[in-house]
Amino acid sequence: KQEVTQIPAALSVPEGENLVLNCSFTDSAIYNLQWFRQDPGKGLTSLLLIQSSQREQTSGRLNASLDKSSGRSTLYIAASQPGDSATYLCAVITGANSKLTFGKGITLSVRP
Amino acid sequence: NAGVTQTPKFQVLKTGQSMTLQCAQDMNHNSMYWYRQDPGMGLRLIYYSASEGTTDKGEVPNGYNVSRLNKREFSLRLESAAPSQTSVYFCASSEALGGFNEKLFFGSGTQLSVL
Repeated sequence: KQEVTQIPAALSVPEGENLVLNCSFTDSAIYNLQWFRQDPGKGLTSLLLIQSSQREQTSGRLNASLDKSSGRSTLYIAASQPGDSATYLCAVITGANSKLTFGKGITLSVRP
Repeated sequence: NAGVTQTPKFQVLKTGQSMTLQCAQDMNHNSMYWYRQDPGMGLRLIYYSASEGTTDKGEVPNGYNVSRLNKREFSLRLESAAPSQTSVYFCASSEALGGFNEKLFFGSGTQLSVL
């Protein structure tokens, strides 16, 4: 059974810092990995999707990398801003016709 | 750009009452999902519908029923609510189930309290 782990559960950084959020998964036979953002009291918004054949995806100040063999992904946020404060979740699809398995998320606070 | 719309946003029920959570998407997606999110447990899949006319159990289906009314709408019903069903419920949709490029779009959630 696929398990997705995100450690630490919470992170607080000063504004302007470059930071890395980690995600690990136990079964490397994934179809894709997605990073989501969730603001308090809101739904999830998809940030980046990396297919199993890809190594990374970029969107603005966000860069997500994938190392399938080691079961790891990182979300890099450059020049963090208070508006980046949210919970970031990663999720993987394992196998055809399967559903997303989510990590529990990392709650990020960026201090002004 | 409505995306995925859920109603209601908040609901308080007494134990044993029933209710239906409504979800509609306007992106012509084939697959729809219901999740619950609980502190410390993360997001767990309750039921999903890979395509119109089909529904399947997810990880935590007990106490729930679903109906895929048409391609746009997917409802979740609690027949006899229990305090253990206090949670935040999210509906989501995607173009197709389990593809390499499958991206999920989420509604804004329903906060349900069962007293």
